Amino acid sequence: DGGITQSPKYLFRKEGQNVTLSCEQNLNHDAMYWYRQDPGQGLRLIYYSQIVNDFQKGDIAEGYSVSREKKESFPLTVTSAQTNPTAFYLCASSYRGVGETQYFGPGTRLLVL
Amino acid sequence: AQSVTQLGSHVSVSEGALVLLRCNYSSSVPPYLFWYVQYPNQGLQLLLKYTTGATLVKGINGFEAEFKKSETSFHLTKPSAHMSDAAEYFCAVIISGTYKYIFGTGTRLKVLA
Repeated sequence: DGGITQSPKYLFRKEGQNVTLSCEQNLNHDAMYWYRQDPGQGLRLIYYSQIVNDFQKGDIAEGYSVSREKKESFPLTVTSAQTNPTAFYLCASSYRGVGETQYFGPGTRLLVL
Repeated sequence: AQSVTQLGSHVSVSEGALVLLRCNYSSSVPPYLFWYVQYPNQGLQLLLKYTTGATLVKGINGFEAEFKKSETSFHLTKPSAHMSDAAEYFCAVIISGTYKYIFGTGTRLKVLA
Protein backbone atom coordinates (compact mmCIF):
# COMPACT_ATOMS: atom_id res chain seq x y z
CA ASP A 1 0.00 0.00 0.00
CA GLY A 2 1.22 3.46 -0.84
CA GLY A 3 1.54 5.97 1.93
CA ILE A 4 3.65 8.09 4.22
CA THR A 5 5.39 6.70 7.26
CA GLN A 6 6.82 8.68 10.14
CA SER A 7 9.00 7.34 12.90
CA PRO A 8 9.17 7.20 15.78
CA LYS A 9 5.63 7.79 17.02
CA TYR A 10 6.99 9.33 20.23
CA LEU A 11 10.41 10.90 20.70
CA PHE A 12 12.02 12.25 23.83
CA ARG A 13 14.72 14.90 23.70
CA LYS A 14 17.14 15.85 26.41
CA GLU A 15 18.39 19.39 26.86
CA GLY A 16 21.02 20.32 24.28
CA GLN A 17 20.38 17.25 22.16
CA ASN A 18 19.67 17.12 18.44
CA VAL A 19 17.01 14.64 17.36
CA THR A 20 15.95 13.49 13.89
CA LEU A 21 12.42 12.66 12.80
CA SER A 22 12.02 10.31 9.88
CA CYS A 23 9.57 10.71 6.99
CA GLU A 24 9.34 8.27 4.10
CA GLN A 25 6.82 8.11 1.25
CA ASN A 26 6.23 5.60 -1.53
CA LEU A 27 3.65 7.66 -3.42
CA ASN A 28 6.17 8.84 -6.02
CA HIS A 29 5.52 12.43 -4.94
CA ASP A 30 8.07 15.08 -5.79
CA ALA A 31 7.14 17.52 -3.03
CA MET A 32 7.45 16.95 0.70
CA TYR A 33 6.64 19.16 3.69
CA TRP A 34 7.17 19.37 7.45
CA TYR A 35 4.62 21.00 9.73
CA ARG A 36 4.53 21.69 13.42
CA GLN A 37 1.20 21.48 15.24
CA ASP A 38 0.55 23.13 18.60
CA PRO A 39 -2.85 23.18 20.33
CA GLY A 40 -5.05 25.99 19.04
CA GLN A 41 -2.55 27.14 16.41
CA GLY A 42 -3.26 24.91 13.48
CA LEU A 43 -0.37 23.73 11.35
CA ARG A 44 2.70 25.84 10.69
CA LEU A 45 5.13 25.10 7.87
CA ILE A 46 8.72 24.40 8.90
CA TYR A 47 10.41 23.38 5.62
CA TYR A 48 9.37 22.14 2.23
CA SER A 49 11.06 20.54 -0.74
CA GLN A 50 9.87 20.43 -4.32
CA ILE A 51 12.67 18.27 -5.75
CA VAL A 52 15.61 16.23 -4.57
CA ASN A 53 18.57 18.20 -3.22
CA ASP A 54 16.51 21.37 -2.91
CA PHE A 55 14.43 22.73 -0.03
CA GLN A 56 13.08 26.03 1.26
CA LYS A 57 12.38 27.49 4.67
CA GLY A 58 8.81 27.79 5.76
CA ASP A 59 7.37 30.14 8.34
CA ILE A 60 9.11 28.72 11.44
CA ALA A 61 12.42 27.21 10.24
CA GLU A 62 14.62 28.52 13.05
CA GLY A 63 16.04 25.68 15.14
CA TYR A 64 15.29 23.05 12.49
CA SER A 65 17.21 21.54 9.57
CA VAL A 66 16.31 19.14 6.76
CA SER A 67 17.88 17.21 3.92
CA ARG A 68 16.45 15.76 0.72
CA GLU A 69 18.93 13.29 -0.71
CA LYS A 70 16.31 10.89 -1.97
CA LYS A 71 12.89 11.45 -3.47
CA GLU A 72 11.30 9.15 -0.90
CA SER A 73 12.84 10.62 2.24
CA PHE A 74 12.73 14.01 3.97
CA PRO A 75 14.16 13.80 7.52
CA LEU A 76 13.77 16.69 9.94
CA THR A 77 16.36 17.46 12.60
CA VAL A 78 15.31 19.41 15.66
CA THR A 79 18.46 21.10 16.88
CA SER A 80 19.39 22.31 20.34
CA ALA A 81 18.72 25.84 19.07
CA GLN A 82 15.00 25.08 19.07
CA THR A 83 14.17 26.10 22.63
CA ASN A 84 10.53 24.98 22.63
CA PRO A 85 10.41 21.79 20.59
CA THR A 86 7.50 20.07 22.34
CA ALA A 87 4.84 19.63 19.63
CA PHE A 88 3.26 17.21 17.18
CA TYR A 89 5.21 17.03 13.91
CA LEU A 90 3.50 16.13 10.66
CA CYS A 91 5.09 15.23 7.36
CA ALA A 92 3.19 15.54 4.09
CA SER A 93 3.80 14.96 0.41
CA SER A 94 2.18 15.86 -2.90
CA TYR A 95 2.69 15.94 -6.63
CA ARG A 96 4.11 19.16 -7.94
CA GLY A 97 1.47 21.34 -9.51
CA VAL A 98 -1.06 23.99 -8.73
CA GLY A 99 -3.87 22.75 -6.53
CA GLU A 100 -2.33 19.40 -5.70
CA THR A 101 -3.51 17.64 -2.56
CA GLN A 102 -1.11 17.13 0.31
CA TYR A 103 -1.21 13.72 1.97
CA PHE A 104 -0.14 13.40 5.58
CA GLY A 105 1.75 10.89 7.65
CA PRO A 106 0.61 9.77 11.13
CA GLY A 107 2.85 12.23 12.98
CA THR A 108 5.58 12.18 15.61
CA ARG A 109 5.08 13.62 19.07
CA LEU A 110 8.24 15.19 20.46
CA LEU A 111 8.58 15.66 24.18
CA VAL A 112 11.38 17.25 26.19
CA LEU A 113 12.78 15.45 29.23
CA ALA B 1 -2.01 38.28 2.11
CA GLN B 2 -4.10 35.16 1.98
CA SER B 3 -5.60 33.81 5.16
CA VAL B 4 -8.11 31.34 6.49
CA THR B 5 -10.47 31.88 9.41
CA GLN B 6 -12.40 29.13 11.09
CA LEU B 7 -15.18 30.47 13.29
CA GLY B 8 -15.57 28.53 16.50
CA SER B 9 -12.70 26.52 17.95
CA HIS B 10 -15.21 24.11 19.51
CA VAL B 11 -18.59 23.02 18.14
CA SER B 12 -20.99 20.61 19.83
CA VAL B 13 -23.93 18.92 18.11
CA SER B 14 -26.29 16.16 19.07
CA GLU B 15 -26.09 12.84 17.28
CA GLY B 16 -28.32 13.03 14.21
CA ALA B 17 -28.23 16.83 14.05
CA LEU B 18 -26.82 18.99 11.28
CA VAL B 19 -23.09 19.66 11.35
CA LEU B 20 -21.97 23.11 10.17
CA LEU B 21 -18.31 24.11 10.42
CA ARG B 22 -17.46 27.56 9.13
CA CYS B 23 -14.47 28.62 7.05
CA ASN B 24 -13.82 32.01 5.47
CA TYR B 25 -10.81 32.81 3.35
CA SER B 26 -9.20 35.85 1.87
CA SER B 27 -7.67 35.59 -1.55
CA SER B 28 -7.22 37.94 -4.46
CA VAL B 29 -7.50 35.15 -6.98
CA PRO B 30 -9.73 32.06 -7.26
CA PRO B 31 -8.53 29.80 -4.47
CA TYR B 32 -7.93 26.12 -4.04
CA LEU B 33 -9.72 25.11 -0.84
CA PHE B 34 -9.52 22.00 1.30
CA TRP B 35 -11.10 20.43 4.35
CA TYR B 36 -9.14 17.91 6.38
CA VAL B 37 -10.12 15.84 9.43
CA GLN B 38 -7.78 14.81 12.24
CA TYR B 39 -8.54 12.15 14.83
CA PRO B 40 -6.58 12.25 18.11
CA ASN B 41 -2.85 11.61 17.72
CA GLN B 42 -3.18 10.95 13.99
CA GLY B 43 -2.30 12.73 10.79
CA LEU B 44 -4.70 14.72 8.64
CA GLN B 45 -7.04 13.01 6.20
CA LEU B 46 -8.51 14.80 3.21
CA LEU B 47 -12.30 15.18 3.37
CA LEU B 48 -12.81 17.18 0.18
CA LYS B 49 -11.34 19.89 -1.98
CA TYR B 50 -12.45 22.63 -4.34
CA THR B 51 -10.37 23.60 -7.34
CA THR B 52 -12.63 24.75 -10.16
CA GLY B 53 -16.04 23.91 -11.54
CA ALA B 54 -19.01 22.87 -9.45
CA THR B 55 -19.27 24.93 -6.29
CA LEU B 56 -20.87 22.16 -4.22
CA VAL B 57 -18.22 19.61 -3.42
CA LYS B 58 -18.99 16.20 -1.97
CA GLY B 59 -16.45 14.42 0.16
CA ILE B 60 -16.03 11.30 2.20
CA ASN B 61 -18.15 10.22 5.17
CA GLY B 62 -21.18 12.18 3.97
CA PHE B 63 -19.57 15.62 4.22
CA GLU B 64 -19.94 18.35 1.65
CA ALA B 65 -18.89 21.97 1.29
CA GLU B 66 -20.07 24.84 -0.85
CA PHE B 67 -17.73 27.42 -2.34
CA LYS B 68 -19.37 30.86 -2.21
CA LYS B 69 -17.20 33.44 -3.88
CA SER B 70 -19.43 36.39 -2.94
CA GLU B 71 -19.14 35.45 0.73
CA THR B 72 -15.53 34.16 0.52
CA SER B 73 -16.72 31.10 2.38
CA PHE B 74 -16.26 27.35 2.18
CA HIS B 75 -18.39 25.96 5.01
CA LEU B 76 -18.44 22.24 5.74
CA THR B 77 -21.74 20.47 6.37
CA LYS B 78 -23.15 17.04 7.10
CA PRO B 79 -26.90 16.45 7.40
CA SER B 80 -26.74 14.03 10.32
CA ALA B 81 -23.90 13.81 12.82
CA HIS B 82 -22.54 10.46 13.92
CA MET B 83 -20.50 9.75 17.00
CA SER B 84 -17.57 8.80 14.77
CA ASP B 85 -17.49 12.37 13.38
CA ALA B 86 -15.99 13.64 16.63
CA ALA B 87 -12.59 14.98 15.58
CA GLU B 88 -10.77 18.19 14.70
CA TYR B 89 -11.42 19.74 11.31
CA PHE B 90 -9.09 22.03 9.39
CA CYS B 91 -9.81 24.31 6.47
CA ALA B 92 -6.89 25.19 4.19
CA VAL B 93 -6.18 27.37 1.16
CA ILE B 94 -3.26 27.26 -1.23
CA ILE B 95 -1.23 30.43 -1.54
CA SER B 96 -1.58 31.49 -5.17
CA GLY B 97 1.51 30.93 -7.26
CA THR B 98 2.99 28.46 -4.76
CA TYR B 99 2.45 24.97 -3.45
CA LYS B 100 2.13 26.23 0.12
CA TYR B 101 -1.00 25.73 2.19
CA ILE B 102 -2.36 28.08 4.82
CA PHE B 103 -4.32 26.23 7.48
CA GLY B 104 -7.02 27.55 9.75
CA THR B 105 -6.64 27.04 13.47
CA GLY B 106 -9.08 24.14 13.47
CA THR B 107 -12.53 23.38 14.88
CA ARG B 108 -12.98 20.57 17.34
CA LEU B 109 -16.33 18.84 16.81
CA LYS B 110 -17.99 17.10 19.73
CA VAL B 111 -20.98 14.83 19.10
CA LEU B 112 -23.36 14.37 22.00
CA ALA B 113 -25.35 11.16 22.47
